[in-house]
Amino acid sequence: DQQVKQNSPSLSVQEGRISILNCDYTNSMFDYFLWYKKYPAEGPTFLISISSIKDKNEDGRFTVFLNKSAKHLSLHIVPSQPGDSAVYFCAASNTGSGNTGKLIFGQGTTLQVKP
Amino acid sequence: DGGITQSPKYLFRKEGQNVTLSCEQNLNHDAMYWYRQDPGQGLRLIYYSQIVNDFQKGDIAEGYSVSREKKESFPLTVTSAQKNPTAFYLCASSVQGNQPQHFGDGTRLSIL
Repeated sequence: DQQVKQNSPSLSVQEGRISILNCDYTNSMFDYFLWYKKYPAEGPTFLISISSIKDKNEDGRFTVFLNKSAKHLSLHIVPSQPGDSAVYFCAASNTGSGNTGKLIFGQGTTLQVKP
Repeated sequence: DGGITQSPKYLFRKEGQNVTLSCEQNLNHDAMYWYRQDPGQGLRLIYYSQIVNDFQKGDIAEGYSVSREKKESFPLTVTSAQKNPTAFYLCASSVQGNQPQHFGDGTRLSIL
């Protein structure tokens, strides 16, 4: 049972345009969400997170939107740069269940930003 | 610099052999995690530890074992019982609970 799903395996955008990466989840107990960026043969790097008490969090070119009723979150990158080309993972956590920090990851979306 | 160090970067296992992957962190984090990544899939949790001398099974613990004798170290042993060990293994740590996890650069394990 895939509790966190990234239905688009890949996305290609032009440099300078907006990149929108989507993520859906099924477990209504999830209350903390994160986005990670991963280059080949490296570990994921934390990008941005959002708590379920908010619907938007912004950090520079990166904004995460959370729609709890739709159980959907998205990552917007504006403007996109060639260096943003990587695999992006969304992850979710239920901080109430003993606060173990367990993260459930989506399958990842490969973003390619073309110069 | 503070960070997480995984070694070796590449590891080969013979049939019936146990191998141990190292993970060391100097971030003073309480919690540590082991994940496995297979092609086209997300990261799946193998084991995690919230405190020294304590650890819990994740979603795919069968065929793996861990120890947490020191705060900074969380080695993972891939035993011969793990029939499909070929994967990219990632170690992570966090301050605790709902803090972002920081990852090492991974160990790629292959079967000879």
